[in-house]
Amino acid sequence: EDKVVQSPLSLVVHEGDTVTLNCSYEVTNFRSLLWYKQEKKAPTFLFMLTSSGIEKKSGRLSSILDKKELFSILNITATQTGDSAVYLCAHVNTDKLIFGTGTRLQVFP
Amino acid sequence: KAGVTQTPRYLIKTRGQQVTLSCSPISGHRSVSWYQQTPGQGLQFLFEYFSETQRNKGNFPGRFSGRQFSNSRSEMNVSTLELGDSALYLCASRAGSNYGYTFGSGTRLTVV
Repeated sequence: EDKVVQSPLSLVVHEGDTVTLNCSYEVTNFRSLLWYKQEKKAPTFLFMLTSSGIEKKSGRLSSILDKKELFSILNITATQTGDSAVYLCAHVNTDKLIFGTGTRLQVFP
Repeated sequence: KAGVTQTPRYLIKTRGQQVTLSCSPISGHRSVSWYQQTPGQGLQFLFEYFSETQRNKGNFPGRFSGRQFSNSRSEMNVSTLELGDSALYLCASRAGSNYGYTFGSGTRLTVV
């Protein structure tokens, strides 16, 4: 059974800090890994990482995929209070998403 | 371009009742999937539809069912509601297998 594990479960930082969120996976047939940000209800799509796209960057956020070691990280530099949210990692398994438990990030001024 | 629209936003039902939730995907998206989110279990896959056909189903009892219409809109039905069905139900659509999923804002179901 496919499994996605995220760490840490929660993180508290101050504005300006840099954070690294981890996502490890054990899957039978890797297709792609997705990162989402969930503030209140709707998870918002951040990145999609595949075998042909193992590094993505958008502003202060970046993500890499290590297919050999079976993990991905999401980096956020110069954090802002607006980055406070739950960050979800998910593996795409034949048209369904297998989610990790998420990392709750709290950024204080 | 409108996003994924879910209705209603909130629902309160009593045990034993049934409920129907609705999801309108982004225009042109033919794949619609449903997820249940609870504090204890996180986000869990319910089912996925493509061109009116259920292609994949999660590990939920038969009380949970769904369907998709020719315009790609989807409905999810839960019969004989239990207290444990209280959750945020999220719908997602995507343009194709090379794209990420876009989620709606969800329907918060409370069973009392």
